[in-house]
Amino acid sequence: NAGVMQNPRHLVRRRGQEARLRCSPMKGHSHVYWYRQLPEEGLKFMVYLQKENIIDESGMPKERFSAEFPKEGPSILRIQQVVRGDSAAYFCASTLGPPEYEQYFGPGTRLTVT
Amino acid sequence: TQLLEQSPQFLSIQEGENLTVYCNSSSVFSSLQWYRQEPGEGPVLLVTVVTGGEVKKLKRLTFQFGDARKDSSLHITAAQPGDTGLYLCAGEPGAGSYQLTFGKGTKLSVIP
Repeated sequence: NAGVMQNPRHLVRRRGQEARLRCSPMKGHSHVYWYRQLPEEGLKFMVYLQKENIIDESGMPKERFSAEFPKEGPSILRIQQVVRGDSAAYFCASTLGPPEYEQYFGPGTRLTVT
Repeated sequence: TQLLEQSPQFLSIQEGENLTVYCNSSSVFSSLQWYRQEPGEGPVLLVTVVTGGEVKKLKRLTFQFGDARKDSSLHITAAQPGDTGLYLCAGEPGAGSYQLTFGKGTKLSVIP
């Protein structure tokens, strides 16, 4: 997983709480992608960010989900008022940037909503 | 919506056997990547294929991209227990989009 770091690795939240997932890309990478993996499903694209910019959020639910990648610090995926259906593994990947197409993934955050 | 179908979904074989897993689509991809994912971990990139008909070898693993860039295969020779894992293919549509479209994967189990 070549240096992409995610934390926490496991997160348990009660329905209605907020979940914050963090992703630090590989050194030198300024492009971050977030994916969600539901049980028995493939990874689904959520959002693509560059530093301080959201480039493509077409895969992210319109409500309760937001993402940011500030100039300093990790990328954050925020889920407000979590519901049981949000339980999944959330992965981020980083690249040097297009046209560099090889995405390197972090270990993921397993979110469980009780 | 571009879809990638992987087959078989599950595969259990004895150590030393050969196997092939497939990744098929009706859509064209500008590149296709193969990943391996261990339980509780993120996908690890194995290879990227870009050119139609391209064949890449990684030790006992041989990857092929179809001539039309719609399908790919992964062949493992003399499988070992260490090859056990979930094999995912992911396609990049190109044309300015860098969203990877993933298949659901082939879960491989190599029995000693």
